[in-house]
Formats: sequence, C-alpha cells, structure tokens
Amino acid sequence: QQQVKQSPQSLIVQKGGISIINCAYENTAFDYFPWYQQFPGKGPALLIAIRPDVSEKKEGRFTISFNKSAKQFSLHIMDSQPGDSATYFCAASHSGSARQLTFGSGTQLTVLP
Amino acid sequence: EAGVAQSPRYKIIEKRQSVAFWCNPISGHATLYWYQQILGQGPKLLIQFQNNGVVDDSQLPKDRFSAERLKGVDSTLKIQPAKLEDSAVYLCASSPLGTSGRNHEQYFGPGTRLTVT
Repeated sequence: QQQVKQSPQSLIVQKGGISIINCAYENTAFDYFPWYQQFPGKGPALLIAIRPDVSEKKEGRFTISFNKSAKQFSLHIMDSQPGDSATYFCAASHSGSARQLTFGSGTQLTVLP
Repeated sequence: EAGVAQSPRYKIIEKRQSVAFWCNPISGHATLYWYQQILGQGPKLLIQFQNNGVVDDSQLPKDRFSAERLKGVDSTLKIQPAKLEDSAVYLCASSPLGTSGRNHEQYFGPGTRLTVT
C-alpha cells in the first residue's frame, strides 16, 4: 500500500512537444506529492509539488495534475526542450510516516532536438 | 545557501571490505535521510534522523549497515562487510522538518556511487 507506480519507464519527445508522466498510488493517507528531476551523476532535485486540496499546480512549463478520486497524479512538461532530458521521479509522503518519501520507479525522458 | 555535501563521490571496493560515506546537510536542517538508489530505480530510504536521534531505521540492513549523526549535524553511513548487491548510489538528503514551520521539503546531495567488485 506504500507503493507509487510510475509510467512510462521511458519517453521520447520532440523539441516543443508535451511530455506527460503518470503516477498512481494506493495509500489514501498520502498528502504531499513532489516530482524530482535527476540528471546523470547528480542527486534528485525538487521540481514541483502538490497537495491534494488542489487539482492542478503550474510553475513555468511544468504542471502537476492531481485526481484525488482516481488516486493519480501526472507531470506535464510543456514546450519540452533538450535540456529537460533527465530522469523524473514522482513521490508521495504523509505526516504519519514522518514525511518519508516513497518514490516511483522513474521515467527517463529524452527530448530530441 | 550551500547544498547538501557528500563525500566521496565515487568508491570502488572489493566484496567483504568496509566503506564509509559522509554527509553534511544544509545548515539548520533538523532531519537527515540516507537513501540507496540502485541503477534504474527510485531512491529507497535506509534511515531517517531528526537532530541526533533515529526516527526510522526499519529498512537498514543492520547486520552490515550502520549510521550515526553525532551532534545532530554531519552523518556517516558505513557498510561492513560489503556485498556485490550493495553496488548503488548512496544519497543523503536533508529537510527543515522538525524545525519551526511546516516546510518538509527534502534536498538531496550529489550522492556517492559505490561499486563492489
């Protein structure tokens, strides 16, 4: 019940296109859903996060869509750029677990020039 | 503001040897985490500290792994003896969780890539 399932495993998008990565969770206690971006040889960096009291959060070209009833959330990258090529991880946490993050398995995004 | 520092960045050891990793969290962050990231997978929590106390070490293989956070700042993670399956990136993260305010965002260091041969 602590799992977060992420898809797809890999994604190839043309420059300027929209990249969409999906995550699903089972534990209804989760109340914080961040997305992390990781470049090779670097640690994960917090990209954007959402709480379940809103259905969408946008920061620049990055948008999280959240569907509480379906227990799903997704990351949309608009106008994808080659510099966005990285591995993206969704995660979830709740206060009852001391805010420990449960990560998805990751999506390797490649944006073609 | 300086980020989370980790050293060494890379380490190659033979199985049954011991190894230690060091982490210096962001100044003022009460909570520190160690994660193991196996190639192609998401980070998996090993241990969580708040100040110098252990919050959760249920995922730490205690027969070979140990960690400490003396004085509630820097932390070390040790593996003794190492196995082939310990080859992974070991990530340290810190968070303001436990200090004043509601911010519990986690900030990661660059990690230590361990190869066990």
